[in-house]
Amino acid sequence: EAQVTQNPRYLITVTGKKLTVTCSQNMNHEYMSWYRQDPGLGLRQIYYSMNVEVTDKGDVPEGYKVSRKEKRNFPLILESPSPNQTSLYFCASSHLRTGRKDTQYFGPGTRLTVL
Amino acid sequence: AQSVSQHNHHVILSEAASLELGCNYSYGGTVNLFWYVQYPGQHLQLLLKYFSGDPLVKGIKGFEAEFIKSKFSFNLRKPSVQWSDTAEYFCAVNAGVYNQGGKLIFGQGTELSVKP
Repeated sequence: EAQVTQNPRYLITVTGKKLTVTCSQNMNHEYMSWYRQDPGLGLRQIYYSMNVEVTDKGDVPEGYKVSRKEKRNFPLILESPSPNQTSLYFCASSHLRTGRKDTQYFGPGTRLTVL
Repeated sequence: AQSVSQHNHHVILSEAASLELGCNYSYGGTVNLFWYVQYPGQHLQLLLKYFSGDPLVKGIKGFEAEFIKSKFSFNLRKPSVQWSDTAEYFCAVNAGVYNQGGKLIFGQGTELSVKP
């Protein structure tokens, strides 16, 4: 089954404790992206990757890191989480071969609470 | 800067009522347009999309949307809603040839509550 998976689905942590949220897709997509969803703000892009070893900042990258060592995986790293990073996080992926016409597929989301 | 605006934050309807959710975007060039739905506790699912051609697009579950280029709008419609349509709906735009690798710009979302 074609899908985007994320782990963990729920995470409660404390300020300053490094964490990683994993994202994996099995559709051989070139493009992967992280979004955060906050009430009244919709989804905002954090980082994206157009292929292995190619990553770039989205609209709200502060406090986050990513890496793309393999095509299927795109982990989101919070080196020193703070309470303002409490949010619902979505990973998404799509093909890039046909340009911008591809639909993005979303993972199930990770609800992060930073105390 | 590109932006997407959804006019209604929360819509409450009775079953069988008709639905129209507004979406306007700000971008003068070619756009791809999407409506996503997020059922309670679930991830985003694609309802429908517009890339080119017929401006009236049909999606899943009886939803449709009309792209009106002159109004920069992509409103979502359904003739008769059901209780199971209760969800949050997001309009999104993918704009520009080199738009940072395909970034989707989302509206704020509209929460739809359907009363049985």
